[in-house]
Amino acid sequence: LAKTTQPISMDSYEGQEVNITCSHNNIATNDYITWYQQFPSQGPRFIIQGYKTKVTNEVASLFIPADRKSSTLSLPRVSLSDTAVYYCLVGPAGGGNKLTFGTGTQLKVEL
Amino acid sequence: DSGVTQTPKHLITATGQRVTLRCSPRSGDLSVYWYQQSLDQGLQFLIQYYNGEERAKGNILERFSAQQFPDLHSELNLSSLELGDSALYFCASSVGTGGFYAGELFFGEGSRLTVL
Repeated sequence: LAKTTQPISMDSYEGQEVNITCSHNNIATNDYITWYQQFPSQGPRFIIQGYKTKVTNEVASLFIPADRKSSTLSLPRVSLSDTAVYYCLVGPAGGGNKLTFGTGTQLKVEL
Repeated sequence: DSGVTQTPKHLITATGQRVTLRCSPRSGDLSVYWYQQSLDQGLQFLIQYYNGEERAKGNILERFSAQQFPDLHSELNLSSLELGDSALYFCASSVGTGGFYAGELFFGEGSRLTVL
């Protein structure tokens, strides 16, 4: 399974756009990229998933360049409630059983 | 609310003891996954069941075992507990074994185990 690398922590202020980049140099052809959010003492929550180009939903956008060796989670106009750990996962369809959560990125949003 | 229910929410026990954690998946989900999250290890995949059968094993110790029952609820049994087993144990569920929506797992609130 592709190994991912993402920043350990990021700081931002309310109202700003936050971009968290994840590197996955050995991503396989059939791998998807998925992002999760986790608040303290809660289970991770699915944010977004994509394969290539751009995916957008009501909470975030996911940008994936053509070589797919990295991806960027974009959170528009963050608020204090977006303070959480964000995980980037890479794995094949049907491979949900081996999704590997790395250490994630601790995002801290301040006033 | 993810729809995944885990009990108990908190559990305190002593070394050498045995505990059972229970998970009820979302209605309609056939797969159940167990994860362990400790401060120094992050979120570790333990085991997956699909429709009653073991589908995949991760970093699960031999002292730990799990099963999924016909009603699709699952139990994780932890025995001969050690201090290092103190952690948050999460259960997650998904519709199938992964399929196109491989990434979308629905996690419960977790069971916090403290071994003294």
